[in-house]
Amino acid sequence: EDQVTQSPEALRLQEGESSSLNCSYTVSGLRGLFWYRQDPGKGPEFLFTLYSAGEEKEKERLKATLTKKESFLHITAPKPEDSATYLCAVRPGGGYNKLIFGAGTRLAVHP
Amino acid sequence: DAGVIQSPRHEVTEMGQEVTLRCKPISGHDYLFWYRQTMMRGLELLIYFNNNVPIDDSGMPEDRFSAKMPNASFSTLKIQPSEPRDSAVYFCASSERAGGYEQYFGPGTRLTVT
Repeated sequence: EDQVTQSPEALRLQEGESSSLNCSYTVSGLRGLFWYRQDPGKGPEFLFTLYSAGEEKEKERLKATLTKKESFLHITAPKPEDSATYLCAVRPGGGYNKLIFGAGTRLAVHP
Repeated sequence: DAGVIQSPRHEVTEMGQEVTLRCKPISGHDYLFWYRQTMMRGLELLIYFNNNVPIDDSGMPEDRFSAKMPNASFSTLKIQPSEPRDSAVYFCASSERAGGYEQYFGPGTRLTVT
């Protein structure tokens, strides 16, 4: 069964304190791993897509990496405005265009 | 582009009533998805369409739920009759094959069934 597990469930950081969020997955034929950011009361906002092991993508203070079993979202020197829930999703093989989402990591960055 | 548009943003209804949620996808996108998000179950795919045709409705909880896409710019999700356990935030998202299948989400409809 295709499955996505994110850890930790919640993370509290001080402003400037770098850390990483983890997304481990079990999927038949990965056709893309996606990271989203969700602010309270809003829809998920697309951040990155990774397709193959070793691939990396960066955007401001965020960098996403991918291995054959997991992905990391590295947050460098976070600011309070980075506080949000970060969702990971995988697109499995099999000819369907659907995403399976993890439960998310709630990140709180305090000044 | 205005992004994915959903209406209403909030809906409060009584058990047994019919509820209709509406979605306008991003122009040019050929995929449309309906999700439900709750604290207990997270973000769940209910159904998705490709070129207005339903492709996978395996996530639709039961016959009380139905979805239609009469044209490329409009879709509805209907719940009849509604039950308190249907209370959740319902999201619509769209994507395009040419764009790498990244899904872009609307602001959601918060449904409360009393």
